Amino acid sequence: AQKVTQAQTEISVVEKEDVTLDCVYETRDTTYYLFWYKQPPSGELVFLIRRNSFDEQNEISGRYSWNFQKSTSSFNFTITASQVVDSAVYFCALSERGTSYGKLTFGQGTILTVHP
Amino acid sequence: DAGVIQSPRHEVTEMGQEVTLRCKPISGHNSLFWYRQTMMRGLELLIYFNNNVPIDDSGMPEDRFSAKMPNASFSTLKIQPSEPRDSAVYFCASSTGDEVVELFFGEGSRLTVL
Repeated sequence: AQKVTQAQTEISVVEKEDVTLDCVYETRDTTYYLFWYKQPPSGELVFLIRRNSFDEQNEISGRYSWNFQKSTSSFNFTITASQVVDSAVYFCALSERGTSYGKLTFGQGTILTVHP
Repeated sequence: DAGVIQSPRHEVTEMGQEVTLRCKPISGHNSLFWYRQTMMRGLELLIYFNNNVPIDDSGMPEDRFSAKMPNASFSTLKIQPSEPRDSAVYFCASSTGDEVVELFFGEGSRLTVL
């Protein structure tokens, strides 16, 4: 069975600090997709990134970067120079081949608070 | 372009009442998902449809829950009778159903059962 673990329940940082959110997953499949979603205080779920299991290249998008390592089954998310607007709950999620790719298994989420 | 539209945004009801949550997926998307978010269980998939057909309802908690998708542009999630433990935020999401997908979520329906 697939499982996603976000060990950090809450993280608190001061603006401009870098912060890394950890995500560890379990799957028996060799083909799968990993996702990060952001849930700001307003409550909606905002898609941030999707990564397939065959692409281990790290990705950078502005202040966001993602480090995917199959060897450790991890897909960590780093925010550089954090801002107050980054305060949100961040979810890591996994979907496996052979199911609908929308059938996501979510981690429990990490609450990030960025203080001014 | 309109995103996934859910209604109502907030619902407060009394135990035993019937609750109907509604969802309009993004036009052209052929997969639709109902997720539930609670503090205790996090985000969990209840049911999903592909081309209006229920594919997997293994996440539906019990017979009090039912979901329908009568056409490509509308789905309902019904709880009858409702119980306080059903209090949660219910999200609807849609996708193109392609192999590489991004789920687009609605803003959620916050249900409180007293």
